[in-house]
Amino acid sequence: GAVVSQHPSRVICKSGTSVKIECRSLDFQATTMFWYRQFPKQSLMLMATSNEGSKATYEQGVEKDKFLINHASLTLSTLTVTSAHPEDSSFYICSARGTKGGLNEQFFGPGTRLTVL
Amino acid sequence: KNEVEQSPQNLTAQEGEFITINCSYSVGISALHWLQQHPGGGIVSLFMLSSGKKKHGRLIATINIQEKHSSLHITASHPRDSAVYICAVRLYNNNDMRFGAGTRLTVKP
Repeated sequence: GAVVSQHPSRVICKSGTSVKIECRSLDFQATTMFWYRQFPKQSLMLMATSNEGSKATYEQGVEKDKFLINHASLTLSTLTVTSAHPEDSSFYICSARGTKGGLNEQFFGPGTRLTVL
Repeated sequence: KNEVEQSPQNLTAQEGEFITINCSYSVGISALHWLQQHPGGGIVSLFMLSSGKKKHGRLIATINIQEKHSSLHITASHPRDSAVYICAVRLYNNNDMRFGAGTRLTVKP
């Protein structure tokens, strides 16, 4: 079964509003969570990496003030797209890494499709 | 050259056919993932491999660490298998992920 969930799966918002996406690890503790973005017909691109309790590390070209990441607990990370614009419309995927069944593993969430009108 | 290469890029098959999607990589890895992305975008983790072979239903994934190659097989393919299949590797040295460009599979009834 799914071990990483994302909520919501789809969101439509007006330009200028902020949108929060949640990523949860369901049955393991995620010491590290990753946020990816995927444009149509392209592969996943890493946006940022976050470790529980510390600030996220952003990839080059990703605005940290626009994409706020909070990893407040070992099972929850949130990505907030602030003052969203149509060009932020994309598919956002989180991935969680931690120890499950004694193995260090990484699992992917199902993704969240954001449409900004 | 990309660190992760998938082939073919596009694949069309008739229902019932045996499908093979290949993934080759040029870096040291600690694990390899096969992901399925449905037309609506939703991602499903199919397999995570570090050696050998795994089977789940009609899906089989194999990896040859020496040859740096993995294959995803689908037996008795069905139109609902139509999706993009993505190979992703976790780098051995720093645990970063690298993704293949994906293989778009279309299974016709």
